[in-house]
Amino acid sequence: TAGITQAPTSQILAAGRSMTLRCTQDMRHNAMYWYRQDLGLGLRLIHYSNTAGTTGKGEVPDGYSVSRANTDDFPLTLASAVPSQTSVYFCASSKGGDYNEQFFGPGTRLTVL
Amino acid sequence: GQNIDQPTEMTATEGAIVQINCTYQTSGFNGLFWYQQHAGEAPTFLSYNVLDGLEEKGRFSSFLSRSKGYSYLLLKELQMKDSASYLCAVRDSNYQLIWGAGTKLIIKP
Repeated sequence: TAGITQAPTSQILAAGRSMTLRCTQDMRHNAMYWYRQDLGLGLRLIHYSNTAGTTGKGEVPDGYSVSRANTDDFPLTLASAVPSQTSVYFCASSKGGDYNEQFFGPGTRLTVL
Repeated sequence: GQNIDQPTEMTATEGAIVQINCTYQTSGFNGLFWYQQHAGEAPTFLSYNVLDGLEEKGRFSSFLSRSKGYSYLLLKELQMKDSASYLCAVRDSNYQLIWGAGTKLIIKP
């Protein structure tokens, strides 16, 4: 079982360009999440989806958009990248409900120049 | 505001015991999680506490006091592979996780 996969593993992007980070899970989890992790800070939630067809904004949603067309996929799009979006991005999923352990993908390291 | 506090870094000796503390102030409480993250890797789940008391799982134990807004992760019989960051996270009233910055644990032989 693959669990959660993310692509690409790493990327260098010119400021002003757009990019989509891909995330796919095969666990049939209802909920999915996008986080960014920066040195010295905790994981910060960008966007989330409690179930296919719905999305919500997290703590730091500006400059990012998401869609959840089906259960498995949860892409994150940067419409016009800025250097402050340089970070490691983690996608996660959970069954939902009371327990809510989150499973994380391997991450995408993004550098915006 | 919401806040999770953990020490930035701790050092311990192989074979010893270490306690990593976490204090929190959040809008609501629906459980506390501990995750382990090795350098360059994704976080992985260690433990979950929603009621006061101690949860034991092998060499790892986690304690919660909701009245004090306090938790700790206890690691026994430390091994070199336990060198990692340990992340404390609280699920708030919106059922979203609020994360601490993590505690980097260095194990020395």
